[in-house]
Amino acid sequence: NAGVTQTPKFQVLKTGQSMTLQCAQDMNHEYMSWYRQDPGMGLRLIHYSVGAGITDQGEVPNGYNVSRSTTEDFPLRLLSAAPSQTSVYFCASSYSFGTPSSPLHFGNGTRLTVT
Amino acid sequence: DAKTTQPPSMDCAEGRAANLPCNHSTISGNEYVYWYRQIHSQGPQYIIHGLKNNETNEMASLIITEDRKSSTLILPHATLRDTAVYYCIVRANNNNDMRFGAGTRLTVKP
Repeated sequence: NAGVTQTPKFQVLKTGQSMTLQCAQDMNHEYMSWYRQDPGMGLRLIHYSVGAGITDQGEVPNGYNVSRSTTEDFPLRLLSAAPSQTSVYFCASSYSFGTPSSPLHFGNGTRLTVT
Repeated sequence: DAKTTQPPSMDCAEGRAANLPCNHSTISGNEYVYWYRQIHSQGPQYIIHGLKNNETNEMASLIITEDRKSSTLILPHATLRDTAVYYCIVRANNNNDMRFGAGTRLTVKP
């Protein structure tokens, strides 16, 4: 099992460019989510999905879009990158988030710099 | 609106127990306490969770006070590899929004 795989590991964008951060899991997990982490801070939830075709907003959704067309994949789209979106992005998944004994599994992150 | 309060940093000697406190005085009856840790710049790693009873697994023990307003994560024999940021989170099962605070940076020293 590869677990949660995020690509790319590093990315530099210019202001106004768009890009998609990829996240894939091979554990047949229902729940997937995206977090961002800024220096010295904890993680903030951007968007999440409880299953294919279902997405919802988290704490900081502005500037980001998501879709969940398959169970395995949950891409995060930046439509027009801004310097404030410079951050480390983590994708996470859980078999059944409503079950206490089903913890979140995290990827190793994508480090994004917007100049 | 932070639901948990943790000290920003703690030190621990290698081989000794590390006791990490967390205050969650506004916890609701259906909310669990979860602990995760983040080593360097990796993705967070699940450690343990509990509702009201004390819990133990191969990584750590979780002690929850009887009134559930605070808890302590115990790493019984800390090693240098336990140096990380530890996050205490409260969440109800019907809440899909898991929010991490700033956590406690634990430094294990030789």
